[in-house]
Amino acid sequence: ELKVEQNPLFLSMQEGKNYTIYCNYSTTSDRLYWYRQDPGKSLESLFVLLSNGAVKQEGRLMASLDTKARLSTLHITAAVHDLSATYFCAVEVTDKLIFGTGTRLQVFP
Amino acid sequence: NAGVTQTPKFRILKIGQSMTLQCTQDMNHNYMYWYRQDPGMGLKLIYYSVGAGITDKGEVPNGYNVSRSTTEDFPLRLELAAPSQTSVYFCASSYLGQAWGYTFGSGTRLTVV
Repeated sequence: ELKVEQNPLFLSMQEGKNYTIYCNYSTTSDRLYWYRQDPGKSLESLFVLLSNGAVKQEGRLMASLDTKARLSTLHITAAVHDLSATYFCAVEVTDKLIFGTGTRLQVFP
Repeated sequence: NAGVTQTPKFRILKIGQSMTLQCTQDMNHNYMYWYRQDPGMGLKLIYYSVGAGITDKGEVPNGYNVSRSTTEDFPLRLELAAPSQTSVYFCASSYLGQAWGYTFGSGTRLTVV
C-alpha cells in the first residue's frame, strides 16, 4: 500500500524564521506536487516537481525532490503571516494523485 | 473558461437518503477524479476515470458509485448516506502529459445527520 507521510503535522513558527516540511513516500514516482489549502477553500497548486533533483522556488517557498530517497521538502524562508495555511504533498502514481496527511502551518508575530 | 465546476456547494442529507454530486469540466481533460477530505485530514481518492466509459476504484470507494458517459461530466452517487460520509468532496481533472498538473473544483460540503 502506498503511503505518503508528511512531518510535522502541525507547525507553529515565528515570523522571520526558516523551517522545512518533509514529505516521504513509499513507492517509485517521478512526479510530486505541493498544494496549499486555506480554511474552507479548495487546493491551490504551488509546485510540480518532475524529476530527480528538481528544485523550484516561488517567493519564500522552495521545493525539492529526491526520487532515490523518495523524499520531497518544502522550505520556508523568513516566514510571514500570509503563509499560514495547510500544505499538502501529493505523489503521482499510475495516473492518479495520492495525498499526504498535510502540514498545518501557523505563523505568528 | 470555468475549469472544474461542482454542485451543490453545501448539502445536508438524512441517513439512508441518496444524492448525486455533480462535476463538470470544460478543459477537455481526459482524466477525472473524486476525492473526499475529512476534517483535519488529507484527501483520499474515491474513484477516478481515464476517459468516457472507463472508471476505476480509488482508496475509499465503498458506499459510492460513479459513471462517465461524457468527457465533461463525472457524477458521484451516494446511494444510502451514512454519517461516515460526512466530508468535503473535491472533483479534479487532468490531461496527463501536461506538466502543470491537476485542476480542482471548489468542493461540496456534505453533512449526513
